[in-house]
Amino acid sequence: QVQLQESGPGLVKPSETLSLTCNVSGDSISNYYWSWIRQPPGMGLEWIGYMSSNGRTTYNPSLQSRVTISVDTSKNQVSLKLSSVTAADTAIYYCATLPSVWGQGTLVTVSS
Amino acid sequence: DIEMTQSPSSLSASVGDRVTITCRASQSISTYLNWYQQKPGKAPKFLIYAASSLQSGVPSRFSGSRSGTDFTLTISNVQPEDFATYYCQQSYSAPLTFGGGTKVEIK
Repeated sequence: QVQLQESGPGLVKPSETLSLTCNVSGDSISNYYWSWIRQPPGMGLEWIGYMSSNGRTTYNPSLQSRVTISVDTSKNQVSLKLSSVTAADTAIYYCATLPSVWGQGTLVTVSS
Repeated sequence: DIEMTQSPSSLSASVGDRVTITCRASQSISTYLNWYQQKPGKAPKFLIYAASSLQSGVPSRFSGSRSGTDFTLTISNVQPEDFATYYCQQSYSAPLTFGGGTKVEIK
């Protein structure tokens, strides 16, 4: 069973770029679609985007201009970059192979 | 975007009750509908796929159904460990979208 673990800075300054990594274990990263989802504290879930097994990316139009999802097969890692962040980007960020496998999530706070 | 409208936003139930949560899609999504359970501080847990198929390991008291663009999650004989927030999610088309959630609390 594939397992996922997100990591990255817990605090990012406004206007900077949020960068997170998802370490994948238990299977080849090439076998899956990789999604990122976020959840502001106390609120609902928002899909950020995914990368397919053939490397094609699809992003939520609400974030498309600021998001990049990539995969490093040599490290078995999935990455998320979100540029020009504001306080509204404060959330728990999850990587997942939707619908079945989710990481534990990592809280990112945007604050100066 | 396909909007997923979940109702109610919260409900109270007693152990042993039957609980029903509804999710309505803003357009046809066939059976491309998943249900999740989320407990505080935890990632969502996958319960049901294709509107009515139970994920392996999920208790049979959970069930899902579809009528057109209306989807229902039913928990029969609700147990203490079932008190949580439930989300629907459509996988018919990007952007993937979630319902707003239904919090099931103990009465």
